Amino acid sequence: EIVLTQSPDFQSVTPKEKVTITCRASQSIGSSLHWYQQKPDQSPKLLINYASQSFSGVPSRFSGSGSGTDFTLTINSLEAEDAATYYCHQSSSLPHTFGGGTKVEIK
Amino acid sequence: EVQLVESGGGLVKPGGSLRLSCAASGFTFSSYSMHWVRQAPGKGLEWVSSISSSSGYIDHADSVKGRFTISRDNAKNLLYLQMNSLRAEDTAVYYCARELPVATSMDVWGKGTTVTVSS
Repeated sequence: EIVLTQSPDFQSVTPKEKVTITCRASQSIGSSLHWYQQKPDQSPKLLINYASQSFSGVPSRFSGSGSGTDFTLTINSLEAEDAATYYCHQSSSLPHTFGGGTKVEIK
Repeated sequence: EVQLVESGGGLVKPGGSLRLSCAASGFTFSSYSMHWVRQAPGKGLEWVSSISSSSGYIDHADSVKGRFTISRDNAKNLLYLQMNSLRAEDTAVYYCARELPVATSMDVWGKGTTVTVSS
């Protein structure tokens, strides 16, 4: 099973600041890494496909990068509505696995 | 509108059974692989089961293998999760999700249905 390790677990950020979340895979997964946003009491929403492809309708301040084992989700100029928990997910090999999540709080 | 709506959750005693359903609308259900993903209270996401568009490929997480069975009825646009021998650790919100072809990410999620296993 491929283990995804996210860091940090929690981040408190002021509006307009830049946020960087990392996801490290226990073995190479190519670009089969996806990012989701989950707000309290809501279901997850897809943000980024294939490490760097923005999903339809996602604001341009969200971007992804990386390949192999190291990946990054960047939120440029954080807005209050971005308060959420962010998860990475790999679909390179079964079982699908998710990272432990990064909670982003707005100061 | 593309939509997934889960139902069938509830309170069940350890060792009991439940069948979850996921009704799909707004897209050609039979063309998509589907997943069940769960989230225990205050915890992260855990993949549970996957089924291909024609049910030719099915897989389950080791934590539920032998107890849960995923299935689908393409004529009725329904996805199912039969859950037997339920344990306290199966307590979670269960989401159904659509797999985006090629990318294999999950692009559409339902709102979830809550399963509580407790005596």
